Amino acid sequence: GAGVSQSPSNKVTEKGKDVELRCDPISGHTALYWYRQSLGQGLEFLIYFQGNSAPDKSGLPSDRFSAERTGGSVSTLTIQRTQQEDSAVYLCASSSPGYAGYTFGSGTRLTVV
Amino acid sequence: EDKVVQSPLSLVVHEGDTVTLNCSYEVTNFRSLLWYKQEKKAPTFLFMLTSSGIEKKSGRLSSILDKKELFSILNITATQTGDSAVYLCAVEDTSGTYKYIFGTGTRLKVLA
Repeated sequence: GAGVSQSPSNKVTEKGKDVELRCDPISGHTALYWYRQSLGQGLEFLIYFQGNSAPDKSGLPSDRFSAERTGGSVSTLTIQRTQQEDSAVYLCASSSPGYAGYTFGSGTRLTVV
Repeated sequence: EDKVVQSPLSLVVHEGDTVTLNCSYEVTNFRSLLWYKQEKKAPTFLFMLTSSGIEKKSGRLSSILDKKELFSILNITATQTGDSAVYLCAVEDTSGTYKYIFGTGTRLKVLA
């Protein structure tokens, strides 16, 4: 696509429920990143994909968080048993080979009530 | 530990003023530094800097990198209300995998 697409744009969920956030990167971008931004904070790295593999998962805050990428394209970030501290904007970004810099999606605002 | 520190945290100015935003960093293996503007949710790209002393310029915005002192500045001249946003600095560290470490940002508000 023309840009990085994320869905849903907003999600309100009850504490303890599971949620899935989707990212559709720019076509041809092999690198895909997930970041989290809590209110008033900077971007916190979660996970990095190169193709379908994830060489860096160091930012996932707990084992309730997981992510996968299929076909070198769409990625899904799953949060199980959501907690209130998971409330944040989840941003996805992608980049093309040889280019140092990201294109961001518009993010998913997750609110856990 | 790698870190990126931005200052000031917030800034309020009047239209027409000039502002300077600061970004200092400590990373193991520096490759590039990026500046982004974030108005709603999606940060939008402003500049990528890789070499010291070479100013990047786009309209009223400019930026420069000092790799010896480990910092960058973003200047905005003749500010407008549309410049109100959070400005994010990010540094690429290649010591592990290729990812950017972001600062917490500077929130700029330009008053009419």
